[in-house]
Amino acid sequence: DTGVSQDPRHKITKRGQNVTFRCDPISEHNRLYWYRQTLGQGPEFLTYFQNEAQLEKSRLLSDRFSAERPKGSFSTLEIQRTEQGDSAMYLCASSPPEESNYGYTFGSGTRLTVV
Amino acid sequence: AQKITQTQPGMFVQEKEAVTLDCTYDTSDPSYGLFWYKQPSSGEMIFLIYQGSYDQQNATEGRYSLNFQKARKSANLVISASQLGDSAMYFCAMREGGTGGFKTIFGAGTRLFVKA
Repeated sequence: DTGVSQDPRHKITKRGQNVTFRCDPISEHNRLYWYRQTLGQGPEFLTYFQNEAQLEKSRLLSDRFSAERPKGSFSTLEIQRTEQGDSAMYLCASSPPEESNYGYTFGSGTRLTVV
Repeated sequence: AQKITQTQPGMFVQEKEAVTLDCTYDTSDPSYGLFWYKQPSSGEMIFLIYQGSYDQQNATEGRYSLNFQKARKSANLVISASQLGDSAMYFCAMREGGTGGFKTIFGAGTRLFVKA
């Protein structure tokens, strides 16, 4: 297993366009998380899946954001009608079922620039 | 509400010396976990060390140790024998065990510079 994979690594889009990011977690990990990180800040929680169920979504997340994990494997994060404030690094992480003392394994992130 | 505070935006340390990165937290949940992550300039977050709220001893992982002071709600990271490769952003994080679900919240980070 090569770890958590995210695609694309970089995305430049015009304001108002829709974008979709993909995350492939470690295969044995049933928990998957999306975070957003802006320059000089720590990661900010967006949403969390256990298998295919989306168990928690940040109240900071507007309805322009949606995430899916249809078969409990890979996940997609879609942002509709992008705004300049959406420019950030979007990080995906996964963890195994027995995660009491297990840190997350993060992917390399997708850097979004909205122009 | 849970909260993580890292008051040191940047720290300098001489190579081979030890350095302490500060972290305080706030939670009303008696069961929680504390984590430290490293983020090099390449951007990938790397898990370093974990401390559970019920753990009696401070956690250690190689050159990393966590100075856990529960009454003061602090969880400082100590890096011994600093190396040039330790230059990175360091994030303190917390996950609550009860109503907090399984999400982890992160502090704003401390940038560590190791001088040769």
